Amino acid sequence: DVKVTQSSRYLVKRTGEKVFLECVQDMDHENMFWYRQDPGLGLRLIYFSYDVKMKEKGDIPEGYSVSREKKERFSLILESASTNQTSMYLCASTSYAGSSYNEQFFGPGTRLTVL
Amino acid sequence: KNEVEQSPQNLTAQEGEFITINCSYSVGISALHWLQQHPGGGIVSLFMLSSGKKKHGRLIATINIQEKHSSLHITASHPRDSAVYICAAGRNEKLTFGTGTRLTIIP
Repeated sequence: DVKVTQSSRYLVKRTGEKVFLECVQDMDHENMFWYRQDPGLGLRLIYFSYDVKMKEKGDIPEGYSVSREKKERFSLILESASTNQTSMYLCASTSYAGSSYNEQFFGPGTRLTVL
Repeated sequence: KNEVEQSPQNLTAQEGEFITINCSYSVGISALHWLQQHPGGGIVSLFMLSSGKKKHGRLIATINIQEKHSSLHITASHPRDSAVYICAAGRNEKLTFGTGTRLTIIP
């Protein structure tokens, strides 16, 4: 069974803390994504990576950074957490099929609360 | 105006009813995705289509490229179909998501 796993299901942090969210996929996918999901706004892309050490900003990158040192692992970093970063964070991965991209596989999500 | 609009936002139906969820998009796409999200957060891809119609069990997805419109149909709905259904416009590797349709099927 193909899998995308995330390091935590629930996380509570204090304002100003540095927060690491980790995502691992076992499908050898080139592309990995970090989204946040908020009520009424749907999923929004924070960052994505199309190869090891490669990254691109998504629609809402402010306040976040990412790291991809190995193909299977994509980390999201909140340098100094703020209350407006309280959200559900979802990781996903996909592969390129020659002429198009395949479906995205999602992790279970991390519900982050910043107090 | 959002690039991907879904309707209705909420839908409650009796078990057995035929369900239709609509999605309109305003951007060029390489594929249109339908996703399902159950309570607890996990998202599963249901369909990815760039033309015509796809069927999987009781679920059918259609797309009209000229009208930039897609529909997801559920036949003989069941309480286990209760979930949020999300439409997403795919441009190469990137997806732009609708805000979802919350479907509740009452036994």
